[in-house]
Amino acid sequence: GQQVMQIPQYQHVQEGEDFTTYCNSSTTLSNIQWYKQRPGGHPVFLIQLVKSGEVKKQKRLTFQFGEAKKNSSLHITATQTTDVGTYFCVSLQGAQKLVFGQGTRLTINP
Amino acid sequence: DTEVTQTPKHLVMGMTNKKSLKCEQHMGHRAMYWYKQKAKKPPELMFVYSYEKLSINESVPSRFSPECPNSSLLNLHLHALQPEDSALYLCASSQVAAGPQHFGDGTRLSIL
Repeated sequence: GQQVMQIPQYQHVQEGEDFTTYCNSSTTLSNIQWYKQRPGGHPVFLIQLVKSGEVKKQKRLTFQFGEAKKNSSLHITATQTTDVGTYFCVSLQGAQKLVFGQGTRLTINP
Repeated sequence: DTEVTQTPKHLVMGMTNKKSLKCEQHMGHRAMYWYKQKAKKPPELMFVYSYEKLSINESVPSRFSPECPNSSLLNLHLHALQPEDSALYLCASSQVAAGPQHFGDGTRLSIL
């Protein structure tokens, strides 16, 4: 099955700094979803990207889908302590199987 | 508040016990999922039900037995589990298979 690599595995920032996590695939993705999981919590759906070159924004979060639909990124501007958690990209393998990337754990120094 | 309800929140069981995990959603979603998540790892898909029929079984050992009694309910029956089965078990649902998923809070399972 297709492999999606997510980097970095960990990121520690000072509050107010920006943060970016990347997902890269060797094959074309039909779509990509992003989820956030707070410590001790469950994954929460953030966004789904479908179109080549798509860019979507949610307040301080910017999501991009590459032109070749082989990579995606999530960028957070001016992080806040509420952004702490693990961010997962999720790709579709076959018709129904969603596969989670390894995740990027974000910690923030207030 | 989560729209997917899982019970129990915590479960401790011996290797010879039989127990069940339950999941319920009332959003009219037609796909439901079971995931297993170990600490500091991503959720791993176990089973997918689409329109109440099992559509994906990710080679899960037979000591885990899923059941979908109706479109709102999903159970996971457990029997003769091993210590390595200790994990957080997450249920999720989506409008259709592979759509954006809503997760429950999970059941934290410990096998003695």
